[in-house]
Amino acid sequence: ILNVEQSPQSLHVQEGDSTNFTCSFPSSNFYALHWYRWETAKSPEALFVMTLNGDEKKKGRISATLNTKEGYSYLYIKGSQPEDSATYLCASNDYKLSFGAGTTVTVRA
Amino acid sequence: DAMVIQNPRYQVTQFGKPVTLSCSQTLNHNVMYWYQQKSSQAPKLLFHYYDKDFNNEADTPDNFQSRRPNTSFCFLDIRSPGLGDAAMYLCATAPTGFDEQYFGPGTRLTVT
Repeated sequence: ILNVEQSPQSLHVQEGDSTNFTCSFPSSNFYALHWYRWETAKSPEALFVMTLNGDEKKKGRISATLNTKEGYSYLYIKGSQPEDSATYLCASNDYKLSFGAGTTVTVRA
Repeated sequence: DAMVIQNPRYQVTQFGKPVTLSCSQTLNHNVMYWYQQKSSQAPKLLFHYYDKDFNNEADTPDNFQSRRPNTSFCFLDIRSPGLGDAAMYLCATAPTGFDEQYFGPGTRLTVT
């Protein structure tokens, strides 16, 4: 099991503002980095699977970058909306997923 | 349509009373996982099945067992729940261990 850290643990964002948060993971023996969004009372939903250093992926207003050499990934939310309120989990995959504790985002209208 | 289904969504059991949580999938994935998540902590892998091969994590208590009678179903049995076993239990599936995982909505277990 790998040591995966996420920060901050929680954040509050005003509707329309952009935000970002971090996932750090061991850079040795890296295979893939996963991001999931987990809304209350729903199933965690995969956002991105990233494998290559310098990878950047985008889904709507959400994007993520990956630095495998230094062991971190950023997730960005542009123009936050109330429906973006969720816990965002990252996980490093070395055949099994090792999760961080998540960043809980609350978007205030 | 739900692809990974967990039943029940909420389960209350008494201290020491055996309980079984259920997971089913319509994706025909080879791998099924069980995770435990306690409040504000990272989901922790308990065990997984690759097809019929069972893989237990080294630090999973003996109190936790699993069964996978066929591709579609997987069960988590807690033989003698303690207060410390109260948590959210997530089931997930994937084609292989290197793929994106598909999660169920979880079962919230309360131990009284």
